[in-house]
Amino acid sequence: DAGITQSPRHKVTETGTPVTLRCHQTENHRYMYWYRQDPGHGLRLIHYSYGVKDTDKGEVSDGYSVSRSKTEDFLLTLESATSSQTSVYFCAISEGRESEKLFFGSGTQLSVL
Amino acid sequence: GENVEQHPSTLSVQEGDSAVIKCTYSDSASNYFPWYKQELGKRPQLIIDIRSNVGEKKDQRIAVTLNKTAKHFSLHITETQPEDSAVYFCAASSAGANNLFFGTGTRLTVIP
Repeated sequence: DAGITQSPRHKVTETGTPVTLRCHQTENHRYMYWYRQDPGHGLRLIHYSYGVKDTDKGEVSDGYSVSRSKTEDFLLTLESATSSQTSVYFCAISEGRESEKLFFGSGTQLSVL
Repeated sequence: GENVEQHPSTLSVQEGDSAVIKCTYSDSASNYFPWYKQELGKRPQLIIDIRSNVGEKKDQRIAVTLNKTAKHFSLHITETQPEDSAVYFCAASSAGANNLFFGTGTRLTVIP
C-alpha cells in the first residue's frame, strides 16, 4: 500500500459546526486529492494539492477549504457543515503523473444532522 | 469540463460468462482512461488504465478498449468469478489536468 491514512473513519456532527478531516501519507507523494462519493454521482473532486501550500479547487469546492503545511498531511475543512455535505470522503495520492494512478485512502463516512 | 457517462448501472452475469461495461466521454483532449473497482465498504482500487495512444490493453482476465473517434472506452472481464462482484468506475482526464472525471459506476454481480 502507498501508506495513506484518513481520520476519523466515521463522524457525526450537527449542521453549522466546523469539521476537519485529515489525510496522512508516508511516501512523500507530491499530488494529493480530496474526493466525495455520493450515490448516483460517482467520485467528484473537491480540492487538490500539488505541493506544500499549493492547493486548488476541484469541481465541488463550495463550502470546503484545504490546507497542506507539510508534504505528508492534507486537511479538508467544512467551514459550516450542511446536510448536503453528508457523504463519504476519500483522500487520494497520485502514484504516477498528476491525476494518474490514484491510490485512495479508506474513506471517512461523515453524517451531518 | 469533461462529462463521463457509464452504462449499464447494474449488470448480473453467471459465473464464467463475460461482462462488458461501457463509458463515453465528451472532451476530445482526454487522453488517460483508468478503471477502478470498489468492493462494498472499501476504497476504490485501480485495476487497469489506458492512454489514448493505445487502442487496447489486457491484464489477465481484464481488458480495456478505446475508440478515440467515437469517444468511448470499455472494460471487458472474461471468465467472471464471484470475487469480481463489485462496483466498477470508469474515469477520464487530459494531460496535466488537475481532475479525474468519474462515471457514476456499474454494480456487477456474478452469480455462482
